[in-house]
Amino acid sequence: DQQVKQNSPSLSVQEGRISILNCDYTNSMFDYFLWYKKYPAEGPTFLISISSIKDKNEDGRFTVFLNKSAKHLSLHIVPSQPGDSAVYFCAASVVWGDAGQFYFGTGTSLTVIP
Amino acid sequence: KAGVTQTPRYLIKTRGQQVTLSCSPISGHRSVSWYQQTPGQGLQFLFEYFSETQRNKGNFPGRFSGRQFSNSRSEMNVSTLELGDSALYLCASSYAGSSGNTIYFGEGSWLTVV
Repeated sequence: DQQVKQNSPSLSVQEGRISILNCDYTNSMFDYFLWYKKYPAEGPTFLISISSIKDKNEDGRFTVFLNKSAKHLSLHIVPSQPGDSAVYFCAASVVWGDAGQFYFGTGTSLTVIP
Repeated sequence: KAGVTQTPRYLIKTRGQQVTLSCSPISGHRSVSWYQQTPGQGLQFLFEYFSETQRNKGNFPGRFSGRQFSNSRSEMNVSTLELGDSALYLCASSYAGSSGNTIYFGEGSWLTVV
C-alpha cells in the first residue's frame, strides 16, 4: 500500500524555467514532509522540509507547498539548472507516530535541458 | 562534520549466503534507520534503532535483522539471500527520536545477489 505517491516518473524542463514536482499522500496523519534529491550511485540528499502547520517553506531556489485538504505537496525549483537533474523523492512521516519511519514516493527523474 | 558512512559500498553474494552491512551515523545522532531501494519501488523502510533498541520494523521477512551498538553504529544482516534481495541498502541517521527530525542518508551499499 503506497501511502506516498509520485505519479510522474519523469519530467523535462528547459534551463532557467520552473520545475514543479508533485507528490500525493493518502494518510491524513502525516504531519511532516521532506524532499530529497538523489544522483546515481549516491545516497539521497536532504533538500527541504515542511511541517503540516505551514503551507509553504522556501529555501533559495527551492519552495515546497503543502495543501493538506488535497493531501498534496509540490516542490518548485526556480530557476532550474542543469545540476538539478536528478531523481527527487518526497517523504512523509507522523512526527510522534511510528518511530523513525518515513514513507517515500517512487521518485521523479528531473532532466534540466541546457 | 562527517556524514553517514556505510560499508561496504559494493558487494556481490551468492544465493543462500548471508551478508552484514555496517553504518556509522553522524556524530551525535542516536537514531539509525535502514531502507531498501529497488527500481520502481522507492525507498522501503526496514527498521529503526534508537539507543540500541529496535523501535520500529517495516514489512520485511525475518531474514532481515539489525542491531545498534552503544556508540550508535548499526549493522544490518540479511540471511539466506535471495535474488530479489539485490538492491541499494541505505542507512539514515537523525538526532532525536521523533519522526519530525530530518534523516540524513549515507551513500548506500549496493548488494547484488547472483
